[in-house]
Amino acid sequence: DQQVKQNSPSLSVQEGRISILNCDYTNSMFDYFLWYKKYPAEGPTFLISISSIKDKNEDGRFTVFLNKSAKHLSLHIVPSQPGDSAVYFCAASASPYNTDKLIFGTGTRLQVFP
Amino acid sequence: NAGVMQNPRHLVRRRGQEARLRCSPMKGHSHVYWYRQLPEEGLKFMVYLQKENIIDESGMPKERFSAEFPKEGPSILRIQQVVRGDSAAYFCASSGLPSNYNEQFFGPGTRLTVL
Repeated sequence: DQQVKQNSPSLSVQEGRISILNCDYTNSMFDYFLWYKKYPAEGPTFLISISSIKDKNEDGRFTVFLNKSAKHLSLHIVPSQPGDSAVYFCAASASPYNTDKLIFGTGTRLQVFP
Repeated sequence: NAGVMQNPRHLVRRRGQEARLRCSPMKGHSHVYWYRQLPEEGLKFMVYLQKENIIDESGMPKERFSAEFPKEGPSILRIQQVVRGDSAAYFCASSGLPSNYNEQFFGPGTRLTVL
């Protein structure tokens, strides 16, 4: 039962262009969403988050959009840089459960080429 | 300001042996989470602990796995009688307070290989 889905296992983007990573979820109880970036042999690094009361959150080159009615969120990176090449995980939590455990998607491997 | 620390980074065990994974949360954090990542998969929640208490262990296998977070010292994830299917990367994360808006900060992980 995959409650958080990242249907694109990989994405290749040219440097300077926009990268768009997508994530879908099925559990309507989720009310907080996060994006993590992961390099090989390292732990995930927090990138950006969004609460369900918002539809957009921006931090520098990173913007997350949330469409609650569609149960869909996306991460936009613009402009993309070679250092952005990594695996990106979408995660969700449901505070009413009072445990704050994160439910992760399977990840999207982003490659930014020159 | 040290981040989340995990040791060992790599651990090799033979089938039937015990594996002990350690996690020291960020300074000031009292909430610890353990996740497991199998090859080519996302991270799967295992257990959430506060000091001396297990809050949520819904992701822990019923047998052979246990976790603790004592009043003093690191959190320990213990796997008894390891099997090849236990081979994975085990990540620990910590946070300061349970809230709607906290982020979990991850350690570098322990890569367990069972021969």
